[in-house]
Amino acid sequence: QLQLQESGPGLVKPSETLSLTCTVSGGSISSSSYYWGWIRQPPGKGLEWIGSIYYSGSTYYNPSLKSRVTISVDTSKNQFSLKLSSVTAADTAVYYCATFNTVTGFDPWGQGTLVTVSS
Amino acid sequence: QSALTQPASVSGSPGQSITISCTGTSSDVGSYNLVSWYQQHPGKAPKLMIYEGSKRPSGVSNRFSGSKSGNTASLTISGLQAEDEADYYCCSYAGSVVFGGGTKLTVL
Repeated sequence: QLQLQESGPGLVKPSETLSLTCTVSGGSISSSSYYWGWIRQPPGKGLEWIGSIYYSGSTYYNPSLKSRVTISVDTSKNQFSLKLSSVTAADTAVYYCATFNTVTGFDPWGQGTLVTVSS
Repeated sequence: QSALTQPASVSGSPGQSITISCTGTSSDVGSYNLVSWYQQHPGKAPKLMIYEGSKRPSGVSNRFSGSKSGNTASLTISGLQAEDEADYYCCSYAGSVVFGGGTKLTVL
């Protein structure tokens, strides 16, 4: 069964770029059945979809974040990545990666990783 | 795209049934039956409970059910148990993804 694991720095300075990677195991990221997505959750708040990518490289972003987000896929490493530029304290959140299918939703999810934006 | 509207909190006693609503628009919830529901316990990742409006993934208790009427989707939990106490989020796909604000379920 698919398993996902986020990795990356837990602390990012304001105005810099947040970079995270999600490693997929138990299946191929090149599967035509899924998209691969990023979701975040600020402390004590709700879930916010950041964006999704298909193995072919087609990307879909939350309009509110689109100008700062880049999601890419590396099929050779079975990984996909998130870059969020010009971060502020408002970008402090637990970041989750997840498998996404338009019919079956987000499943499974990674365990999440807390990223704090602070100088 | 605006977030879907959920009540901030609901509560119920063990054995009772509760329903959590998720209101969208004719452009998302109303147009497609692509609503999913997630359960999140504190400090844990969300877990898929319902997809395509009313379908349960393998392993999810049949005490959880989903439905839709117009622009509003609903999650019903019957026979409430202590372990159902968690946050619940709805999610709609309509060309883009939008989540609800979340509902805290308290089992009294």
